[in-house]
Amino acid sequence: NAGVTQTPKFQVLKTGQSMTLQCAQDMNHEYMSWYRQDPGMGLRLIHYSVGAGITDQGEVPNGYNVSRSTTEDFPLRLLSAAPSQTSVYFCASSYLQYITDPRNGYGYTFGSGTRLTVV
Amino acid sequence: DQQVKQNSPSLSVQEGRISILNCDYTNSMFDYFLWYKKYPAEGPTFLISISSIKDKNEDGRFTVFLNKSAKHLSLHIVPSQPGDSAVYFCAARSRRSSNYKLTFGKGTLLTVNP
Repeated sequence: NAGVTQTPKFQVLKTGQSMTLQCAQDMNHEYMSWYRQDPGMGLRLIHYSVGAGITDQGEVPNGYNVSRSTTEDFPLRLLSAAPSQTSVYFCASSYLQYITDPRNGYGYTFGSGTRLTVV
Repeated sequence: DQQVKQNSPSLSVQEGRISILNCDYTNSMFDYFLWYKKYPAEGPTFLISISSIKDKNEDGRFTVFLNKSAKHLSLHIVPSQPGDSAVYFCAARSRRSSNYKLTFGKGTLLTVNP
């Protein structure tokens, strides 16, 4: 089925470990982004990309790296995990033409999320 | 400092009645408001939006009302159905946003009882 696939669904890390959260989409969306959702807070934008080879920072980028070598994939790397990075992470993708048009919710397709716990 | 506030963490209504979910904002630069719905173990999905130049937008059972002077919007669901049980996020876009960022509220859990 077409959509956004996030792996893994659950992960427990120790402080200081590194890992990569995977996000893949098969809809040929130019725009991809990562959000995190913390208890008692709304989703916050971490990083985004408007096409292969192009990435930029969102609202809360510290502690995370991204790259976009293909249209399909947008991995999120935690370089040295900290307890403050315990969160649910959502990947979202869209066609670039919709990102400037909020009438249809930015055309976002969200993945089902990765629940990360850092101990 | 939360610019989009959903002060009710949860709401419970009976099937067939009206559900009203509220959202307040502080940033006068917001020019578009959106509602997303999220079921457990799934990502959010878009529900309905409204431009700041309008005061009402309707889509089937869902209507969003915007009161700019009060910086308040509400989502009405009539009639409510058990399948509407989900977390509802209010989000806003700033006309000054250069990174396509949406500012989300923390969500309201709606439970519709049969």
